Order: sequence, then C-alpha cells, then structure tokens
Amino acid sequence: GAVVSQHPSWVICKSGTSVKIECRSLDFQATTMFWYRQFPKQSLMLMATSNEGSKATYEQGVEKDKFLINHASLTLSTLTVTSAHPEDSSFYICSAPGGGGLNTEAFFGQGTRLTVV
Amino acid sequence: ELKVEQNPLFLSMQEGKNYTIYCNYSTTSDRLYWYRQDPGKSLESLFVLLSNGAVKQEGRLMASLDTKARLSTLHITAAVHDLSATYFCAVVKETSGSRLTFGEGTQLTVNP
Repeated sequence: GAVVSQHPSWVICKSGTSVKIECRSLDFQATTMFWYRQFPKQSLMLMATSNEGSKATYEQGVEKDKFLINHASLTLSTLTVTSAHPEDSSFYICSAPGGGGLNTEAFFGQGTRLTVV
Repeated sequence: ELKVEQNPLFLSMQEGKNYTIYCNYSTTSDRLYWYRQDPGKSLESLFVLLSNGAVKQEGRLMASLDTKARLSTLHITAAVHDLSATYFCAVVKETSGSRLTFGEGTQLTVNP
C-alpha cells in the first residue's frame, strides 16, 4: 500500500523555539494532506487541511500563526510549531488520501512526539 | 457538526471471549474506517466500509456498517492478548473531502 513518511518521529525542544515536522507521500502524489494532534489518552483531532499550492484550511480554534503549514509540492507538507510552549507537547500525525473516488484509503505517517520543555 | 461516538471506551476481556465495539455517527457519511493504535504508535488501518450492509473480516476482527442506523460494529472473536490496543472508528462526512472525524477510541485489554 501507499506510504506516508513523517519526520522526525520524536523531538524535544525548548520553550519559545520552533519545530518543523515533515510529511511525505513516498509513492503517490497528495494534493491534500491532513494534520492531526493527539493528546495522551485522547482521540485524534484534526488541526488543518494542507492544500498543495494554496493556503491551508484550519479547524476552529487552531491558531494559524502558531501552526504554520506549507504544502510546496505534491509529495511534501510541513507543519511548523512556532514559539512552542509546554502545552503544545503532543503527538502530531499527518495523513494523506491515497487516491480518488469513494474507495479512498487514508494513509497515516508514523507520527511525531513533540515534547516542549 | 459530525459527531462520532464509540462504546465502550474501555474494555477488559479474557482471552477466548467475544465482544463488540460500537461506533455511532450523527450525519450521513461516504465511508467509515476502523483503525488500531498501539501505545506510542501511529494508526494502523483495519477496515474501510463503503456501503450499507458492508461486512469485512480479517482474522479475529469483523466490521460491519449500517448506514441507515448510522452504526458500525467491530466484532472480536476469541480474543487473544495481541489484540490489546486502542481501536478508533473514523467517519468521512459527505462533501468534506477526505477529512476524518474520529471517535473517542476504545481501549481494549485482553487478559490471559
């Protein structure tokens, strides 16, 4: 099946610094990618939809200036957590739909564990 | 607003027993997914259900979809310890593209 690669798998950063997370579709093109956040013992919450060549669409309550999303190519989306704070510590997961039509599988990256100290 | 509810949220069962996890959703949907998540890991795709009456089976797991009732079930047969994980259902709302709305998750523990 299709593969979505996410990097890094974990990162520890100091409060106030920025962290970039990459999400790549390895063997297919993804005009759309999704970024989710998961706090411990909770479900996944959609943060934003990344659109190749245009602005990302953010869910209600997600600060677009804090979570910068860039989808510069058909295989790469990046999420930058700017001025990170301890409350941003979470598990971030990207996904990409694998193809067109109704029979669309959603492929997930390995996730990035962000710890802000 | 699309809401997805799972029941139960926590499930502790003995090996060899059967049980069902339920997933209810609030609006019409194009498709429904079931995922497994192990601690510290990302999601592993289990099933994609596309139409009313769809039933899929893989090993000890079987998923079904009733679009009229807006209900999906994940049935576990003769559970084994290796099935211990958190299981999520997720629904794609019509007209939302491929945006997934997840249920709260069911944390399954299978005891020897």
